[in-house]
Amino acid sequence: ETGVTQSPTHLIKTRGQQVTLRCSSQSGHNTVSWYQQALGQGPQFIFQYYREEENGRGNFPPRFSGLQFPNYSSELNVNALELDDSALYLCASSLGGLDSGEQYFGPGTRLTVT
Amino acid sequence: GESVGLHLPTLSVQEGDNSIINCAYSNSASDYFIWYKQESGKGPQFIIDIRSNMDKRQGQRVTVLLNKTVKHLSLQIAATQPGDSAVYFCADPHNQAGTALIFGKGTTLSVSS
Repeated sequence: ETGVTQSPTHLIKTRGQQVTLRCSSQSGHNTVSWYQQALGQGPQFIFQYYREEENGRGNFPPRFSGLQFPNYSSELNVNALELDDSALYLCASSLGGLDSGEQYFGPGTRLTVT
Repeated sequence: GESVGLHLPTLSVQEGDNSIINCAYSNSASDYFIWYKQESGKGPQFIIDIRSNMDKRQGQRVTVLLNKTVKHLSLQIAATQPGDSAVYFCADPHNQAGTALIFGKGTTLSVSS
């Protein structure tokens, strides 16, 4: 186990609704990255938070937003849900810095949009 | 845009065989690669990484080879075990911190006894 936890494990929402997913990073890690993994695909980078600031973003629309808290836990918010948002959402924590390559992934939240 | 991709979506081997999973990348400036293993119902797990100043790196039962000339890397698993069954991804961190990963689609490794 990596020490990274995510909640909830599964979630079903209706198109147009909003959702908040949560991630607790591994102790001592100050960077959280979020990924979307569609079925049969590799994870796609959404954005990253480093010391409570957004520190990079992938090709996702503004309705995907996030927060990082002083304890380095993080939230991913998705507004106006679309059917294509159905996926496994992964968060990964790391220590940050130029020499940090290893990220520790949580088990993910499975989001289904109907 | 830059991409990483795996050559075969699936690979089936017998227990005890050696497995080779291949990956190609497009960005010639990429200087760091990571292999991840994802078991069913779990997040990706770090296996091994390699920097561009190396051609080869060995871990426990795993070896990664990097050929910068043809922009290709491979993951070799020795004496494959049923517990190695999973989806394997190569990933290219596209930021200096190595934390914004570009993943390929993955190769599903199935190991039969």
